[in-house]
Amino acid sequence: ELKVEQNPLFLSMQEGKNYTIYCNYSTTSDRLYWYRQDPGKSLESLFVLLSNGAVKQEGRLMASLDTKARLSTLHITAAVHDLSATYFCAVESGTYKYIFGTGTRLKVLA
Amino acid sequence: EPEVTQTPSHQVTQMGQEVILRCVPISNHLYFYWYRQILGQKVEFLVSFYNNEISEKSEIFDDQFSVERPDGSNFTLKIRSTKLEDSAMYFCATSGQGAFGYTFGSGTRLTVV
Repeated sequence: ELKVEQNPLFLSMQEGKNYTIYCNYSTTSDRLYWYRQDPGKSLESLFVLLSNGAVKQEGRLMASLDTKARLSTLHITAAVHDLSATYFCAVESGTYKYIFGTGTRLKVLA
Repeated sequence: EPEVTQTPSHQVTQMGQEVILRCVPISNHLYFYWYRQILGQKVEFLVSFYNNEISEKSEIFDDQFSVERPDGSNFTLKIRSTKLEDSAMYFCATSGQGAFGYTFGSGTRLTVV
């Protein structure tokens, strides 16, 4: 059974700082997704990573995928308060389902 | 931008009652999914549905759960006899042929009392 783990689970950081969230998974998969969730809200798609070495950037967020290491990272550059949310990675397991990571609750302090 | 619509947004029900959660997928999407999220926890797969049948289901999706697409547009999740532990946010998601990634609905918060 595919397991997906994120760390850290909680992250409190100052505005302007950089940090990385890690997503490890236990079995081979070539597709990984990052989502953002605000409290009480739905999941917003951030990045779709479809192959080894894939790197995507949007604003202050950059995601990468290393399928050999079974690792994805979500890097935050110069954090701002608006980035406060919970971030989930999700790994495709077979054709029809995703297994979500445990989530990282990010709080950016002014 | 096309949306996945879920109704109701919040439902409170008594233990043992049946509930039906509804989802209107994006019109050209062919793959449908239900996920749930217990408050503060991770998102868990329940079931996937394609071509009018279940493709895969998780251990959570036991005999108390069922899905159908009764009229070719709505996609429903029924829980026959709710338990307290069914209290969660339920998300519908859909995806198109050859597409990567889901579009999630806004969710239904189910509270069983």
